[in-house]
Amino acid sequence: EPEVTQTPSHQVTQMGQEVILRCVPISNHLYFYWYRQILGQKVEFLVSFYNNEISEKSEIFDDQFSVERPDGSNFTLKIRSTKLEDSAMYFCASSEGGQGFSPLHFGNGTRLTVT
Amino acid sequence: AQSVTQLDSQVPVFEEAPVELRCNYSSSVSVYLFWYVQYPNQGLQLLLKYLSGSTLVKGINGFEAEFNKSQTSFHLRKPSVHISDTAEYFCAVKGSSNTGKLIFGQGTTLQVKP
Repeated sequence: EPEVTQTPSHQVTQMGQEVILRCVPISNHLYFYWYRQILGQKVEFLVSFYNNEISEKSEIFDDQFSVERPDGSNFTLKIRSTKLEDSAMYFCASSEGGQGFSPLHFGNGTRLTVT
Repeated sequence: AQSVTQLDSQVPVFEEAPVELRCNYSSSVSVYLFWYVQYPNQGLQLLLKYLSGSTLVKGINGFEAEFNKSQTSFHLRKPSVHISDTAEYFCAVKGSSNTGKLIFGQGTTLQVKP
């Protein structure tokens, strides 16, 4: 069964550094998402992306964050200048459509640790 | 706007016992409801979904959930759990918007004991 893949599985970075998290969504999916889960907290929506532009973003997704689909397969999340509170598990997801009935398929996540 | 509440943060249960994980949602529009499972050190896996039709939906690994519109609930059940069901379970809701955004509950840790 096709799956969403994320790399790396674990990333350690120093505060203030830029980090890029990478994702390869399922090939025929058109909608892409980033979510994060701070340890012990709920999974939070960050951003959705369709047709090469952001379709919705949360309050968390401020100017420090950006997303890109640089080629036909990768979908990346960049954090420009990491803060300690950015430490979390980041999940990429994709769906065939953006309608409510189209389920999201998630990757295994990238654990980001900011020191 | 939608929201999801999972009433129990942890549910301990003995192997082969039945279990119910509770989920309530609020929404001013029609919703689609999902349960995801997260095994230790893994990602989120879709367990089951309610889109329309029959209010009782069956998912993978013997789980099922019942959509109750009047009580705005979507509780997850399994008649007999295994040690391997130990995981974090998330209830989630999507509204009718076309952005596909999923709103998660806080999660319930199911601890199956031998």
